[in-house]
Amino acid sequence: KAGVTQTPRYLIKTRGQQVTLSCSPISGHRSVSWYQQTPGQGLQFLFEYFSETQRNKGNFPGRFSGRQFSNSRSEMNVSTLELGDSALYLCASGGSPFLEQYFGPGTRLTVT
Amino acid sequence: SQQGEEDPQALSIQEGENATMNCSYKTSINNLQWYRQNSGRGLVHLILIRSNEREKHSGRLRVTLDTSKKSSSLLITASRAADTASYFCATDAWGQNFVFGPGTRLSVLP
Repeated sequence: KAGVTQTPRYLIKTRGQQVTLSCSPISGHRSVSWYQQTPGQGLQFLFEYFSETQRNKGNFPGRFSGRQFSNSRSEMNVSTLELGDSALYLCASGGSPFLEQYFGPGTRLTVT
Repeated sequence: SQQGEEDPQALSIQEGENATMNCSYKTSINNLQWYRQNSGRGLVHLILIRSNEREKHSGRLRVTLDTSKKSSSLLITASRAADTASYFCATDAWGQNFVFGPGTRLSVLP
């Protein structure tokens, strides 16, 4: 099976812009979670989708949003980018929300 | 929150030695998992231990779970340079998302 894929792998944006990141889970997986990883805050949970429904949301401002499509692919969007949004954004998929997660390689977002 | 906290933050050992990392958490959990992350890349799942299990093995990995102390340990035996990475524990509970600890950075020196 192909692993979790994330596009793009690297992204440079300017403050105030918006960005959309994409994640394709492992075939058959219905759960997709998003995480933000920074040196200062570590791995922080953004949100989790299961069968197109957001099941859990982390403690992030409303500028961070996501969605999941019927084929389980997921996107996350960050509007009005701030310098502090620079991070590695990781997507993980799983067969169930409470079993092991399989991570993609991440999207490295740099906001200048 | 049931946040996991790994200890130590950083660990340096020689190849062939054993490495032990600990994880503590605050609330009751369903499962505890350990992940490895090589520098700046995605996480790789290592092992999952359920709340009703006390010990689990996978190759050179041994994980223990003590729910009374709300702690877990990961032992890597006969370490190799390729084991150099950051190791994270993650906990989950019903209705709540996965929570990752800050990680232990392991350096295995040749």
